[in-house]
Amino acid sequence: EPEVTQTPSHQVTQMGQEVILRCVPISNHLYFYWYRQILGQKVEFLVSFYNNEISEKSEIFDDQFSVERPDGSNFTLKIRSTKLEDSAMYFCASSSLTSGNNEQFFGPGTRLTVL
Amino acid sequence: GENVEQHPSTLSVQEGDSAVIKCTYSDSASNYFPWYKQELGKRPQLIIDIRSNVGEKKDQRIAVTLNKTAKHFSLHITETQPEDSAVYFCAASGVDSSYKLIFGSGTRLLVRP
Repeated sequence: EPEVTQTPSHQVTQMGQEVILRCVPISNHLYFYWYRQILGQKVEFLVSFYNNEISEKSEIFDDQFSVERPDGSNFTLKIRSTKLEDSAMYFCASSSLTSGNNEQFFGPGTRLTVL
Repeated sequence: GENVEQHPSTLSVQEGDSAVIKCTYSDSASNYFPWYKQELGKRPQLIIDIRSNVGEKKDQRIAVTLNKTAKHFSLHITETQPEDSAVYFCAASGVDSSYKLIFGSGTRLLVRP
């Protein structure tokens, strides 16, 4: 069964550094998402992406964040200048949304630790 | 803004008993309500979902009910087993431009052998 994949599984960085988190969505999916989960808390929506542009973003997704689909398979989340509070698990998800099926499939996550 | 409330935050049951987790949502335009199970350090896994055109859905030991008027939906797990122990999240999604999921705060379920 196809799965969403993410790399790296764990990223440690210094405050102020840039990080890029990578995702490979399921191949025939058209909608892509990034969510984050601070340790012990709920999953929070960051951004959705469709047809090569952002379709919606949350208040969390400020100017330090950007997303890109550089080729036909990868979907990346960039944090330009990381802050301590960016430490969290970041999940990528994708959806086909065919026939009104909203089901989103999650990747295994990237644990980001900002020191 | 959109919000999903989930209760209880923790739930401990004896193996074989039933477990019920409840959620309420604020956006009346929401029409898709999935439930995810998350084991420690793992990704959320969809276990069951329901759409607004039905009131109940069942899959073996798991069932979900939806009351659109009251904006409530619930997860029911019968004959619980120790491997059901995990954190369960409800979520809601609407027909807006992105179909984003708004998650509840999670319920930590412990099934005691």
